[in-house]
Amino acid sequence: GEDVEQSLFLSVREGDSSVINCTYTDSSSTYLYWYKQEPGAGLQLLTYIFSNMDMKQDQRLTVLLNKKDKHLSLRIADTQTGDSAIYFCAEIRGGYNKLIFGAGTRLAVHP
Amino acid sequence: NAGVMQNPRHLVRRRGQEARLRCSPMKGHSHVYWYRQLPEEGLKFMVYLQKENIIDESGMPKERFSAEFPKEGPSILRIQQVVRGDSAAYFCASSLGNEKLFFGSGTQLSVL
Repeated sequence: GEDVEQSLFLSVREGDSSVINCTYTDSSSTYLYWYKQEPGAGLQLLTYIFSNMDMKQDQRLTVLLNKKDKHLSLRIADTQTGDSAIYFCAEIRGGYNKLIFGAGTRLAVHP
Repeated sequence: NAGVMQNPRHLVRRRGQEARLRCSPMKGHSHVYWYRQLPEEGLKFMVYLQKENIIDESGMPKERFSAEFPKEGPSILRIQQVVRGDSAAYFCASSLGNEKLFFGSGTQLSVL
């Protein structure tokens, strides 16, 4: 298909790890991204990974990329209430760094 | 270094009026992208501009919508004769032309 797909909702307990999954479509995408959107706010670039990498770690965030399956995941360690937000996966499509977004995964963190 | 600035933050228009949304990219950025977000959906690409040029407008509706990025001043997304279906959050992003796109806080357009 043509869509970037994500599960719509994830609920985790504070302190646990969260794993948000994404399936993208364009095997020639050079970069894949995770953005965070808090209520009423714009998109904050969390992290991104170059397509020749399998993994990227940045503090509590770990990105895993499986190019064969076109699967991207974001792991948040020690999830906090401040991590509650919508997380968007995006791929570059075309030659202009045009981002194509998934519908977003709403992460709810409860005590 | 200020981020991507969009204004107004909220815009209310009646059906048939015009909406003008402004975006000032980050300092030094000459690449601007406009996206639209409908409620409970992801962002949909609309248009990509470089200074004074429209590079890709494949996501723009064929009628009533236009965008510009003049040599001086902000990028403008213009919607003529707005309809209720135009109600959405409109986000602008800018970049240096590399892989990092930075987004503004968006303009929430409400059409009554």
